[in-house]
Amino acid sequence: RKEVEQDPGPFNVPEGATVAFNCTYSNSASQSFFWYRQDCRKEPKLLMSVYSSGNEDGRFTAQLNRASQYISLLIRDSKLSDSATYLCAVRYSGNTGKLIFGQGTTLQVKP
Amino acid sequence: DARVTQTPRHKVTEMGQEVTMRCQPILGHNTVFWYRQTMMQGLELLAYFRNRAPLDDSGMPKDRFSAEMPDATLATLKIQPSEPRDSAVYFCASGLVLPGANVLTFGAGSRLTVL
Repeated sequence: RKEVEQDPGPFNVPEGATVAFNCTYSNSASQSFFWYRQDCRKEPKLLMSVYSSGNEDGRFTAQLNRASQYISLLIRDSKLSDSATYLCAVRYSGNTGKLIFGQGTTLQVKP
Repeated sequence: DARVTQTPRHKVTEMGQEVTMRCQPILGHNTVFWYRQTMMQGLELLAYFRNRAPLDDSGMPKDRFSAEMPDATLATLKIQPSEPRDSAVYFCASGLVLPGANVLTFGAGSRLTVL
């Protein structure tokens, strides 16, 4: 079993739809959580950090459920430009900074 | 914008050849990571360094892969001998790792094809 798991999708949604992705992690000692976005043939780029109380950045909302060991990303009013692969990343406790990524969930927003 | 620079961007080589990939991290970042990305496995952590010292290379096939950081401005990943299954995109990422913060900046990647 992978340490960080995501449904690879693809998720095909129409413009304006709301879509949610989940990511589960197996190490309960995980400390910090992130969502990265990766466009086709590009490098991953940080989309947002995930805080314990949940956080929002415009149309994007990230949440953390420590009890069930998953994080989620909600995209509202999806745009064509949101089409990409969304990677969750988990950092273990301690100061080593080891960051493990899920395989990514592909989103295709259709007109 | 500060960026992580990787070379080469693309490399096609034959099985058995040595491949060296290079990375210049962002100045002031204390941690450098090497990841490999394939369709099947996703983004796998190969090795990482803190203040140039190797912290963990358990994700790396030891018999053919080696990672070094000869100075603060250069990290290298070497494959010798290369095999077709090594074909992937290799990303270097650097970050200033502090308690509670671990934001990485990725390089554009080195796309390796081993024939």
